Amino acid sequence: EVQVLESGGGLVQPGGSLRLACAASGFTFYNYAMNWVRQAPGKGLEWVSSISGSGGSTYYADSVKGRFTVSRDNSKNTLFLQMNSLRAEDTAIYYCAKGGLWFGESLFDSWGQGTLVTVSS
Amino acid sequence: QSALTQPASVSGSPGQSITISCTGTSSDVGGYKYVSWYQQHPGKAPKLMIYEVSKGPSGVPDRFSGSKSGDTASLTISGLRAEDEADYYCSSYMSSSIVVFGGGTKLTVL
Repeated sequence: EVQVLESGGGLVQPGGSLRLACAASGFTFYNYAMNWVRQAPGKGLEWVSSISGSGGSTYYADSVKGRFTVSRDNSKNTLFLQMNSLRAEDTAIYYCAKGGLWFGESLFDSWGQGTLVTVSS
Repeated sequence: QSALTQPASVSGSPGQSITISCTGTSSDVGGYKYVSWYQQHPGKAPKLMIYEVSKGPSGVPDRFSGSKSGDTASLTISGLRAEDEADYYCSSYMSSSIVVFGGGTKLTVL
């Protein structure tokens, strides 16, 4: 059974940093793109970032480019999202989602339960 | 990175069929086969319902179907059931190497 489990959320002050992790199991991790999608309170889904199976290609939404960095450790089946210079508008539930063989398939077929990030003073 | 356009809400009675539209441009929905649909119940994670415009993942009832015409994709749910009441989101690959979601549609089963 495919499972992804996020961790690392919490309360952080504006301008601060946070690192999210996503532990994956039940599939050949290095074969698949992995993704971060967020959802602000009461709002819709927003794609944040994706990374290829090898980790060699990364992609970001304009709203986070230059502030967030996605990475993965294929030896530990774990995905990361380093978030710097956090803003109030980054407050959201952050979901980790398994992708297809290529990130552009826009195919998020297994989701975690999400981890809440709150940016507030 | 403008969101794809979806109606804010749709409704239907049990047993009826409804269609949710998702309008983009030739740079996203109209230009690629990579359109997906997600169902999200309150307080839950989204669930993939349709991918590559019209393909259904294993385990999703065939009451859910997808299609595309030009820059508009559509999700049709036939034989509406109470448990179909949820928020629905479309997504698409966009030519600038990003993924874009629709604003979401709240489905009410009357």
